[in-house]
Amino acid sequence: EAQVTQNPRYLITVTGKKLTVTCSQNMNHEYMSWYRQDPGLGLRQIYYSMNVEVTDKGDVPEGYKVSRKEKRNFPLILESPSPNQTSLYFCASTLRAGGPYEQYFGPGTRLTVT
Amino acid sequence: DAKTTQPPSMDCAEGRAANLPCNHSTISGNEYVYWYRQIHSQGPQYIIHGLKNNETNEMASLIITEDRKSSTLILPHATLRDTAVYYCIVRVQMYSGGGADGLTFGKGTHLIIQP
Repeated sequence: EAQVTQNPRYLITVTGKKLTVTCSQNMNHEYMSWYRQDPGLGLRQIYYSMNVEVTDKGDVPEGYKVSRKEKRNFPLILESPSPNQTSLYFCASTLRAGGPYEQYFGPGTRLTVT
Repeated sequence: DAKTTQPPSMDCAEGRAANLPCNHSTISGNEYVYWYRQIHSQGPQYIIHGLKNNETNEMASLIITEDRKSSTLILPHATLRDTAVYYCIVRVQMYSGGGADGLTFGKGTHLIIQP
């Protein structure tokens, strides 16, 4: 089954404690990205990756890092989480950038930073 | 990408067709119309997309007006599980080389299917 998986699904942490949210897709997609969703603000793109070892900032990259060492994985790293990063996070993938392709989204990770 | 306008909420009776409108009057010739939905904090789910012609798949139909300034998503036999926020998104077809290629989600239409 084609899917995007994220772990963990729920996470409560404290300010400053480094954390990683994993994302993996099994569709051999080139393009992957991370979004955050906040009430009243909709989904906003954090970072994206066009392919292995190619990443770039989205609309709200501050406080986040990503890496793309393998095609299937695209982890989101919060080096020093702060309460304003409390949000619902989604990973997404699509075949490649720019084409009329559907994007597949993961189930979401609800992060709370206290 | 062109801006879209959708009603904030709609009701539909279970078993009836749900027709969700979207206005995209500033759409340009190389922009597709996409529909996604999000069921209560789950990941958004792709439904359908089109450029000029009407499209149909196992989930829905997409009707695009001849001038392409508006479209309608049709769920032919709505069920309670179709209760969700539906997003109409307009975006260019081909990667220009300079953008993040992310989807721009507006506020969408909250469709409530009534039993």
